[in-house]
Amino acid sequence: EAGVTQFPSHSVIEKGQTVTLRCDPISGHDNLYWYRRVMGKEIKFLLHFVKESKQDESGMPNNRFLAERTGGTYSTLKVQPAELEDSGVYFCASSHFRSRPQETQYFGPGTRLLVL
Amino acid sequence: AQKVTQAQTEISVVEKEDVTLDCVYETRDTTYYLFWYKQPPSGELVFLIRRNSFDEQNEISGRYSWNFQKSTSSFNFTITASQVVDSAVYFCALRTGGGADGLTFGKGTHLIIQP
Repeated sequence: EAGVTQFPSHSVIEKGQTVTLRCDPISGHDNLYWYRRVMGKEIKFLLHFVKESKQDESGMPNNRFLAERTGGTYSTLKVQPAELEDSGVYFCASSHFRSRPQETQYFGPGTRLLVL
Repeated sequence: AQKVTQAQTEISVVEKEDVTLDCVYETRDTTYYLFWYKQPPSGELVFLIRRNSFDEQNEISGRYSWNFQKSTSSFNFTITASQVVDSAVYFCALRTGGGADGLTFGKGTHLIIQP
């Protein structure tokens, strides 16, 4: 069974540009999460999808970030326009059906974003 | 609010030594779940263990063991007879029934096993 995959693995863009990150969850997983780790800080929760619906987006930093999950399969996270402080590693995770707190979340390898 | 503290930023030991990674958590919820993840150089977070707040039994899996103590709000992780392949960043995480849906992570402990 394939794990969570993320694309691209690395992205270097200039301030003001737009970047779109993609996450493909484990097949059959209804729950999809986005996290971010800024240099030297903890991994922080951004948002949670249950299928195509946003269940919790309390961690989204501001309106420059837009997440979508059309069709309830893969998800995209767009940053527009990117700022220097958006640099970091963006992780995606998925878990099986039922949005329960004890469900184990399986993570992808992350996308390393550098904004210059 | 909840918080996870991993006070050890980096630990370096020689292969075959035992090593314990500390994790202290804070939450007001009575039901919560604790996790450990391993991040090898490849970058992904690999799930190691989940523990429920109502189950204080310690767990052993091969060379890995976990000591959960509610009295001290700790969920420590011990690697016995460490190996070079254990070198990684290890994260402790918490999730409660209330609050945000995501995991609350500690900052991670970078474990270096020297041959």
